[in-house]
Amino acid sequence: KAGVTQTPRYLIKTRGQQVTLSCSPISGHRSVSWYQQTPGQGLQFLFEYFSETQRNKGNFPGRFSGRQFSNSRSEMNVSTLELGDSALYLCASSSLGSSNYGYTFGSGTRLTVV
Amino acid sequence: GNSVTQMEGPVTLSEEAFLTINCTYTATGYPSLFWYVQYPGEGLQLLLKATKADDKGSNKGFEATYRKETTSFHLEKGSVQVSDSAVYFCALRENTGNQFYFGTGTSLTVIP
Repeated sequence: KAGVTQTPRYLIKTRGQQVTLSCSPISGHRSVSWYQQTPGQGLQFLFEYFSETQRNKGNFPGRFSGRQFSNSRSEMNVSTLELGDSALYLCASSSLGSSNYGYTFGSGTRLTVV
Repeated sequence: GNSVTQMEGPVTLSEEAFLTINCTYTATGYPSLFWYVQYPGEGLQLLLKATKADDKGSNKGFEATYRKETTSFHLEKGSVQVSDSAVYFCALRENTGNQFYFGTGTSLTVIP
């Protein structure tokens, strides 16, 4: 079956702009999580959505937001981009709530802010 | 709180050498433990997992045992190959939640 699909793969934006990233989970997966990966901070949790509701949120400013649609696809938005937002953004999906299953990660969107 | 500490890299080994990457954790509850691998330009791939104490996860020759008494989940492989070159992440997830806590990653390079 198809894996987690993230689009676009690469993105270059200017400071002050906003950006929207997309994640399509594995079919049947209802939980989608987002992570930011940077060389300095490593992998940091942004938020998790389940059935269109944000279930958990990491310690990021309000410029970072997300949503999930009824088909479980998710988007994250970053407004007023800063240079420090340059990172690999990873999306992961999981089946219903089971702690016995690892998440499946997408290949990520590489965002560069200039 | 929850956190994962893994050995600093980079690690460089010759082909067929023995690999150990240390990982220890701190958790408020009873977590599941994971090793993920990231190849250049790619996302994370689940390598192996263990969901309770004394469980051993294994995959592709890699093994890790969930040691509650030492709060550790060290990754081992008896004979590494060039194709094992990647960054390895240790992670935990509380059984009551869905958030992962990752270590900082250990870069492994295997030379022929």
